[in-house]
Amino acid sequence: DQQVKQNSPSLSVQEGRISILNCDYTNSMFDYFLWYKKYPAEGPTFLISISSIKDKNEDGRFTVFLNKSAKHLSLHIVPSQPGDSAVYFCAAKGGGSEKLVFGKGTKLTVNP
Amino acid sequence: EPEVTQTPSHQVTQMGQEVILRCVPISNHLYFYWYRQILGQKVEFLVSFYNNEISEKSEIFDDQFSVERPDGSNFTLKIRSTKLEDSAMYFCAWGRGGSGNTIYFGEGSWLTVV
Repeated sequence: DQQVKQNSPSLSVQEGRISILNCDYTNSMFDYFLWYKKYPAEGPTFLISISSIKDKNEDGRFTVFLNKSAKHLSLHIVPSQPGDSAVYFCAAKGGGSEKLVFGKGTKLTVNP
Repeated sequence: EPEVTQTPSHQVTQMGQEVILRCVPISNHLYFYWYRQILGQKVEFLVSFYNNEISEKSEIFDDQFSVERPDGSNFTLKIRSTKLEDSAMYFCAWGRGGSGNTIYFGEGSWLTVV
């Protein structure tokens, strides 16, 4: 039961360019969405979040866009840096549940 | 700077043995969670813990799992009789709870069952 889907297992971009990571969800009860960055053998690190009452949230080089009608969100990183290379997870919660539902992740590689 | 310390960082255990994973928060939080990630798979929710009791658990969190916060400090996950499929990275997490509140994760404890 994939309530949160990240259909691209990997993405490769050049340093300085934009990275766009996509996420789709199926559960209309989700009202809070988060992006995490993860390195191997480490815990997920929170990056940025967005509430369902907004369609955009920006924090430095990171911007998250939410399209509720399409049940789609995306994370934009601009400009991309080699240090951004990691696995990025989309997660969602809502409907009164404390449970975060994660996607399978997208491995981002930023080439110098 | 981590807000929790997870121990052990890595444990190898024999199948059938009991394992206790610990999480020590530095500051007070309302909600505590355990998640796990089996190698190559997605991060999965196990249980949430609020006001010294389980508030929500997943179907993974069966009778062989238990959680407690016995002294108001350590938050522990016990696996009574480990199975090979319990091999995973286990993450302690915390947050203030409620809609719109972020959940933060610890560094993880890597459990290998042999």
